[in-house]
Amino acid sequence: GENVEQHPSTLSVQEGDSAVIKCTYSDSASNYFPWYKQELGKGPQLIIDIRSNVGEKKDQRIAVTLNKTAKHFSLHITETQPEDSAVYFCAASNTGFQKLVFGTGTRLLVSP
Amino acid sequence: DAGVIQSPRHEVTEMGQEVTLRCKPISGHNSLFWYRQTMMRGLELLIYFNNNVPIDDSGMPEDRFSAKMPNASFSTLKIQPSEPRDSAVYFCASTLGGSSNQPQHFGDGTRLSIL
Repeated sequence: GENVEQHPSTLSVQEGDSAVIKCTYSDSASNYFPWYKQELGKGPQLIIDIRSNVGEKKDQRIAVTLNKTAKHFSLHITETQPEDSAVYFCAASNTGFQKLVFGTGTRLLVSP
Repeated sequence: DAGVIQSPRHEVTEMGQEVTLRCKPISGHNSLFWYRQTMMRGLELLIYFNNNVPIDDSGMPEDRFSAKMPNASFSTLKIQPSEPRDSAVYFCASTLGGSSNQPQHFGDGTRLSIL
């Protein structure tokens, strides 16, 4: 089955810096890659997603890139703000019913 | 719009007791997922339904766990009997299922503690 690895497990940056989180997946049939942000006491919230027919997608300060050949995808957050502090999860899916396999999460801390 | 609603938000009970977690998906969504989150194992898919029918329950840990979806607006996850190792946060998520992947929307979870 699918296996998703995520790095780093923790990431500390200064406000205004960029943050990059990387994930690799094992199943070449995977075709959908969402990213979720989880704040304390809350459920994961979708922040951006990308499908396998696209190499890059951007939404304001957040961007995701996908390299199907290498089977990895990355989340880029620019101009980080303290409210970006949270745990971020990547996931992959290769089924129409979206059986997501999640990475282990990255705790991002943005210091003022 | 109301999101996915889970109840209770917190549950503390003694081992051996029956526990029932409840979920109301977003109106119009036809796929529903139950996840468990722990520090050791992260986010694990337990079971998912499409059009109220269980599609894959391979993630259900053992026979003590059962899930039902009697209609499109309600699902339950039951643990009987409960054990301390079942302590975790349980999330429900819903989406528009089908051939094209659609985002899953999560509830805020039920934090379960089994003493």
